[in-house]
Amino acid sequence: GAVVSQHPSWVICKSGTSVKIECRSLDFQATTMFWYRQFPKQSLMLMATSNEGSKATYEQGVEKDKFLINHASLTLSTLTVTSAHPEDSSFYICSARVGGLGGYTFGSGTRLTVV
Amino acid sequence: DAKTTQPPSMDCAEGRAANLPCNHSTISGNEYVYWYRQIHSQGPQYIIHGLKNNETNEMASLIITEDRKSSTLILPHATLRDTAVYYCIVNSGGSNYKLTFGKGTLLTVNP
Repeated sequence: GAVVSQHPSWVICKSGTSVKIECRSLDFQATTMFWYRQFPKQSLMLMATSNEGSKATYEQGVEKDKFLINHASLTLSTLTVTSAHPEDSSFYICSARVGGLGGYTFGSGTRLTVV
Repeated sequence: DAKTTQPPSMDCAEGRAANLPCNHSTISGNEYVYWYRQIHSQGPQYIIHGLKNNETNEMASLIITEDRKSSTLILPHATLRDTAVYYCIVNSGGSNYKLTFGKGTLLTVNP
């Protein structure tokens, strides 16, 4: 089946540094990918929709200058958390639509801890 | 997308069927019902989806009421590995449509 590979699975960074998370579709082309954030004991919250070759669409309240999204190819989308702070510590998950109405497939998530 | 309502938690004995309900009374005619689950600290996993008819696959069965205002996900023989948060989502499935997650149901399968 369609697989989305997300890396790294976990990362610890110092406050003020930037962190890049990669999301790759392994056996299909993903023109659209989605980025979610999940805080402990909460549901997934959509951050942005990433479209190949164009600017991402951010949900209300998500800072586009802080969460940089690049979708330069049909198989790769990246999320860069810039100038990370402890409150950015969270579980970040990417997703892509599988063709037709086959649903969405998700990456395994990235646990970001900012110290 | 239409809003869904699910019980916050349910328990099930190992080997028994788990029946997870979902209310989606405002669903529109072109919206599908999707079910996903999330095992702790992993990305969500697709389970099944349907429009009007009942659906079955190797993981589960989906029963949708005739008026489509509610549905039930059935795990026929629950195992300990089925312990997860189960999300019911309605979505028209368009090419750029995003999934909006509610709080889901935490299913705990007990030995």
